[in-house]
Amino acid sequence: QVQLIQSGAEVKKPGTSVKVSCKASGYTFSSYGIIWVRQAPGQGLEWLGWIAPYSGSTNFEQKFQDRITMTKDTSTSTAYMELGSLRSDDTAVYYCARGISPTHGFDMWGQGTMVTVSS
Amino acid sequence: QSVLTQPPSVSGAPGQRVTISCTGGDSNIGARYDVHWYQQLPGTAPKLLIYGNNNRPSGVPDRISGSKSGTSASLAITGLRAADEADYYCQSYDSSLSAVVFGGGTKLTVL
Repeated sequence: QVQLIQSGAEVKKPGTSVKVSCKASGYTFSSYGIIWVRQAPGQGLEWLGWIAPYSGSTNFEQKFQDRITMTKDTSTSTAYMELGSLRSDDTAVYYCARGISPTHGFDMWGQGTMVTVSS
Repeated sequence: QSVLTQPPSVSGAPGQRVTISCTGGDSNIGARYDVHWYQQLPGTAPKLLIYGNNNRPSGVPDRISGSKSGTSASLAITGLRAADEADYYCQSYDSSLSAVVFGGGTKLTVL
Protein backbone atom coordinates (compact mmCIF):
# COMPACT_ATOMS: atom_id res chain seq x y z
CA GLN A 1 0.00 0.00 0.00
CA VAL A 2 0.99 3.64 -0.36
CA GLN A 3 3.14 4.73 2.56
CA LEU A 4 5.43 7.54 3.61
CA ILE A 5 7.74 6.52 6.43
CA GLN A 6 9.70 9.25 8.19
CA SER A 7 12.89 9.08 10.20
CA GLY A 8 12.86 9.02 13.97
CA ALA A 9 12.70 11.72 16.60
CA GLU A 10 15.61 14.14 16.95
CA VAL A 11 16.95 16.32 19.77
CA LYS A 12 19.15 19.17 18.59
CA LYS A 13 21.04 22.07 20.11
CA PRO A 14 20.22 25.65 19.08
CA GLY A 15 22.22 26.76 16.07
CA THR A 16 22.64 23.26 14.63
CA SER A 17 20.71 21.63 11.79
CA VAL A 18 18.39 18.66 11.41
CA LYS A 19 17.74 16.46 8.39
CA VAL A 20 14.47 14.52 8.23
CA SER A 21 13.86 11.77 5.69
CA CYS A 22 10.62 10.58 4.13
CA LYS A 23 10.72 7.21 2.35
CA ALA A 24 7.92 6.47 -0.10
CA SER A 25 6.58 3.10 -1.12
CA GLY A 26 3.63 1.67 -3.00
CA TYR A 27 3.56 4.24 -5.80
CA THR A 28 5.72 5.81 -8.52
CA PHE A 29 7.77 8.24 -6.46
CA SER A 30 8.73 10.47 -9.38
CA SER A 31 5.08 11.13 -10.30
CA TYR A 32 4.31 13.07 -7.13
CA GLY A 33 5.81 16.02 -5.35
CA ILE A 34 6.37 16.23 -1.61
CA ILE A 35 5.40 18.99 0.76
CA TRP A 36 6.77 19.49 4.24
CA VAL A 37 4.56 20.82 7.01
CA ARG A 38 5.25 21.31 10.69
CA GLN A 39 3.11 21.55 13.78
CA ALA A 40 4.40 23.13 16.97
CA PRO A 41 2.99 21.75 20.24
CA GLY A 42 -0.68 22.70 20.52
CA GLN A 43 -0.57 24.73 17.31
CA GLY A 44 -1.86 24.43 13.75
CA LEU A 45 -0.25 23.28 10.52
CA GLU A 46 2.50 25.41 8.97
CA TRP A 47 3.71 24.88 5.40
CA LEU A 48 7.49 24.80 4.96
CA GLY A 49 7.92 24.12 1.26
CA TRP A 50 7.43 21.89 -1.75
CA ILE A 51 9.66 19.80 -3.98
CA ALA A 52 8.22 19.09 -7.42
CA PRO A 53 8.04 15.74 -9.16
CA TYR A 54 10.33 15.09 -12.14
CA SER A 55 12.26 18.41 -12.04
CA GLY A 56 12.88 18.46 -8.29
CA SER A 57 12.44 22.23 -8.28
CA THR A 58 11.59 23.70 -4.92
CA ASN A 59 9.74 26.60 -3.41
CA PHE A 60 9.73 27.51 0.23
CA GLU A 61 7.74 29.53 2.70
CA GLN A 62 9.52 32.87 2.65
CA LYS A 63 10.43 32.87 6.34
CA PHE A 64 12.48 29.67 5.91
CA GLN A 65 14.15 30.42 2.59
CA ASP A 66 17.58 31.20 4.00
CA ARG A 67 17.88 28.10 6.17
CA ILE A 68 15.93 25.25 4.55
CA THR A 69 16.88 22.69 1.91
CA MET A 70 14.67 20.08 0.27
CA THR A 71 16.05 17.27 -1.85
CA LYS A 72 15.01 13.89 -3.13
CA ASP A 73 16.74 10.67 -4.15
CA THR A 74 14.70 8.95 -6.82
CA SER A 75 16.85 5.80 -6.61
CA THR A 76 15.68 5.19 -3.03
CA SER A 77 12.28 6.97 -3.28
CA THR A 78 13.26 9.20 -0.41
CA ALA A 79 12.73 12.91 0.16
CA TYR A 80 14.75 14.96 2.61
CA MET A 81 14.19 18.22 4.46
CA GLU A 82 17.07 19.93 6.22
CA LEU A 83 16.49 22.93 8.47
CA GLY A 84 19.47 24.87 9.77
CA SER A 85 20.18 27.51 12.41
CA LEU A 86 17.71 25.80 14.69
CA ARG A 87 15.97 27.79 17.43
CA SER A 88 13.77 26.67 20.30
CA ASP A 89 10.66 27.72 18.37
CA ASP A 90 11.53 25.18 15.66
CA THR A 91 10.46 22.49 18.13
CA ALA A 92 7.61 20.75 16.35
CA VAL A 93 6.39 17.63 14.63
CA TYR A 94 7.52 17.69 11.00
CA TYR A 95 5.37 15.94 8.38
CA CYS A 96 5.92 15.05 4.74
CA ALA A 97 2.98 14.48 2.41
CA ARG A 98 2.61 13.70 -1.28
CA GLY A 99 0.70 15.66 -3.88
CA ILE A 100 0.45 16.21 -7.62
CA SER A 101 1.04 19.94 -7.26
CA PRO A 102 0.95 22.64 -4.57
CA THR A 103 -2.61 23.52 -5.59
CA HIS A 104 -3.92 20.00 -5.08
CA GLY A 105 -4.78 18.18 -1.88
CA PHE A 106 -2.21 15.98 -0.21
CA ASP A 107 -3.57 12.47 0.04
CA MET A 108 -0.88 10.59 1.92
CA TRP A 109 1.06 11.79 4.94
CA GLY A 110 4.04 10.47 6.84
CA GLN A 111 3.67 9.61 10.49
CA GLY A 112 5.56 12.71 11.59
CA THR A 113 9.00 13.32 13.11
CA MET A 114 9.33 15.09 16.44
CA VAL A 115 12.22 17.57 16.43
CA THR A 116 13.11 19.07 19.79
CA VAL A 117 15.50 22.01 19.95
CA SER A 118 16.92 22.48 23.41
CA SER A 119 20.18 23.52 24.98
CA GLN B 1 -2.19 34.86 11.82
CA SER B 2 -3.35 32.34 9.20
CA VAL B 3 -4.16 33.40 5.65
CA LEU B 4 -7.31 31.28 5.82
CA THR B 5 -9.64 31.97 8.75
CA GLN B 6 -11.50 29.23 10.59
CA PRO B 7 -13.50 29.34 13.82
CA PRO B 8 -11.37 28.00 16.69
CA SER B 9 -14.08 25.61 17.81
CA VAL B 10 -17.49 24.18 16.95
CA SER B 11 -19.62 21.66 18.76
CA GLY B 12 -22.70 19.54 18.26
CA ALA B 13 -24.63 16.69 19.80
CA PRO B 14 -24.51 13.17 18.37
CA GLY B 15 -26.65 12.91 15.26
CA GLN B 16 -26.61 16.64 14.59
CA ARG B 17 -25.11 18.59 11.69
CA VAL B 18 -22.20 20.97 12.04
CA THR B 19 -20.43 23.20 9.56
CA ILE B 20 -16.92 24.65 9.65
CA SER B 21 -16.19 27.76 7.64
CA CYS B 22 -12.95 28.75 5.93
CA THR B 23 -12.61 32.34 4.77
CA GLY B 24 -9.86 33.49 2.43
CA GLY B 25 -9.33 36.27 -0.07
CA ASP B 26 -8.87 37.25 -3.67
CA SER B 27 -5.44 35.66 -4.02
CA ASN B 28 -6.42 32.21 -2.77
CA ILE B 29 -9.97 30.86 -2.55
CA GLY B 30 -11.34 33.82 -4.51
CA ALA B 31 -8.74 33.24 -7.23
CA ARG B 32 -10.42 29.90 -7.92
CA TYR B 33 -7.80 27.77 -6.24
CA ASP B 34 -9.34 24.64 -4.82
CA VAL B 35 -9.97 24.14 -1.12
CA HIS B 36 -9.07 20.91 0.62
CA TRP B 37 -9.96 19.71 4.11
CA TYR B 38 -8.08 17.53 6.58
CA GLN B 39 -9.07 15.76 9.76
CA GLN B 40 -6.46 15.35 12.48
CA LEU B 41 -7.20 13.00 15.35
CA PRO B 42 -5.16 13.53 18.54
CA GLY B 43 -1.57 12.39 18.16
CA THR B 44 -1.90 11.42 14.50
CA ALA B 45 -1.01 12.87 11.10
CA PRO B 46 -3.62 14.84 9.14
CA LYS B 47 -5.88 12.84 6.85
CA LEU B 48 -7.34 14.18 3.59
CA LEU B 49 -11.09 14.45 4.01
CA ILE B 50 -12.20 16.56 1.03
CA TYR B 51 -10.22 17.54 -2.06
CA GLY B 52 -11.05 19.89 -4.90
CA ASN B 53 -13.71 21.69 -2.84
CA ASN B 54 -16.29 18.89 -2.73
CA ASN B 55 -14.73 15.52 -3.57
CA ARG B 56 -14.33 12.69 -1.09
CA PRO B 57 -11.38 10.28 -1.24
CA SER B 58 -12.26 6.62 -1.15
CA GLY B 59 -13.37 5.58 2.32
CA VAL B 60 -14.68 8.95 3.47
CA PRO B 61 -18.44 8.62 4.19
CA ASP B 62 -20.98 10.71 2.31
CA ARG B 63 -22.18 12.35 5.52
CA ILE B 64 -19.08 14.55 5.08
CA SER B 65 -19.26 17.18 2.35
CA GLY B 66 -17.54 20.34 1.18
CA SER B 67 -18.59 23.44 -0.69
CA LYS B 68 -17.04 26.65 -1.93
CA SER B 69 -18.44 30.03 -2.89
CA GLY B 70 -16.59 33.24 -3.62
CA THR B 71 -13.77 33.66 -1.11
CA SER B 72 -15.10 31.09 1.37
CA ALA B 73 -15.54 27.37 1.76
CA SER B 74 -17.35 25.12 4.20
CA LEU B 75 -17.10 21.62 5.54
CA ALA B 76 -20.32 19.96 6.68
CA ILE B 77 -20.63 16.85 8.82
CA THR B 78 -24.05 15.30 9.37
CA GLY B 79 -25.01 12.50 11.75
CA LEU B 80 -22.30 13.50 14.19
CA ARG B 81 -20.50 10.69 16.00
CA ALA B 82 -18.06 10.68 18.90
CA ALA B 83 -15.38 9.49 16.48
CA ASP B 84 -15.68 12.79 14.57
CA GLU B 85 -14.15 14.66 17.49
CA ALA B 86 -10.92 16.02 16.01
CA ASP B 87 -9.20 19.10 14.61
CA TYR B 88 -10.14 20.12 11.07
CA TYR B 89 -8.02 22.21 8.71
CA CYS B 90 -8.77 23.85 5.37
CA GLN B 91 -6.00 24.32 2.82
CA SER B 92 -5.60 26.17 -0.47
CA TYR B 93 -2.93 27.93 -2.52
CA ASP B 94 -2.12 31.64 -2.49
CA SER B 95 -0.84 33.21 -5.68
CA SER B 96 0.43 36.40 -4.02
CA LEU B 97 2.54 34.41 -1.56
CA SER B 98 3.29 31.54 -3.98
CA ALA B 99 2.58 29.33 -1.01
CA VAL B 100 0.39 26.54 0.25
CA VAL B 101 -1.80 28.04 2.97
CA PHE B 102 -3.69 26.43 5.83
CA GLY B 103 -6.45 27.64 8.06
CA GLY B 104 -5.72 27.88 11.76
CA GLY B 105 -7.76 24.78 12.49
CA THR B 106 -11.12 24.12 14.14
CA LYS B 107 -11.62 21.81 17.10
CA LEU B 108 -14.84 19.85 16.78
CA THR B 109 -16.35 18.70 20.07
CA VAL B 110 -19.14 16.14 20.12
CA LEU B 111 -21.23 16.90 23.19
